Amino acid sequence: QVQLQESGPGLVKPSQTLSLTCTVSGDSISSGAYYWSWIRQHPGKGLEWIGYIYYSGRTYYNPSLQSRVSISVDTSRNQFSLKVTSVTAADTAVYYCARLEDSPDWYFDVWGRGTLATVSS
Amino acid sequence: SYELSQPPSVSVSPGQTASITCSGNKLGDKYASWYQQKPGQSPVLVIYRDTDRPSGIPERFSGSNSGNTATLTISGTQAMDEADYYCQAWDSSHVVFGGGTKLTVL
Repeated sequence: QVQLQESGPGLVKPSQTLSLTCTVSGDSISSGAYYWSWIRQHPGKGLEWIGYIYYSGRTYYNPSLQSRVSISVDTSRNQFSLKVTSVTAADTAVYYCARLEDSPDWYFDVWGRGTLATVSS
Repeated sequence: SYELSQPPSVSVSPGQTASITCSGNKLGDKYASWYQQKPGQSPVLVIYRDTDRPSGIPERFSGSNSGNTATLTISGTQAMDEADYYCQAWDSSHVVFGGGTKLTVL
């Protein structure tokens, strides 16, 4: 049973950096069979794709967020992480990590439970 | 950038068929996926590769994709199907979600 678990501080001050980690169990990131992604959901709103990473470190980002986000991978810990810099209240959201099945299908088959990150002073 | 459009809301009576559409330029040339999200829960994949159901998803969920429109169909809709539904596709290395449709069963 593949499981993903998000972790990180629930409260971040404006202008600081939001850092989240997703720990994968039941699958190995280094197998190369999937991509690994971050998605967020503002309160009461829809899903917004942030970006995804391959075990090799290759990344793809949402153009609207690309200047402030970065995703990294630690295959030794079977984790991947998200950093969002210069956060504002508009970055307050539930952040999900998910496993992404790749070409030609491209769909998210396993999701974490999500973690709420609040930006407030 | 590529965009997917969904109706904000759809209503259906119990036992009837609900259809939720997702529109995008030449969407039929891509694969569409659908997710169900109930309040306070993570999204769940209900349809992938246009028409396929993951194990554990009831047969009443089906999908189609042609031209500019993908459709999620729920036959014999049950009260437990009341949720938000999101379509998703992939375009030029980017993932795209539709805005979501709230399905009300009344």
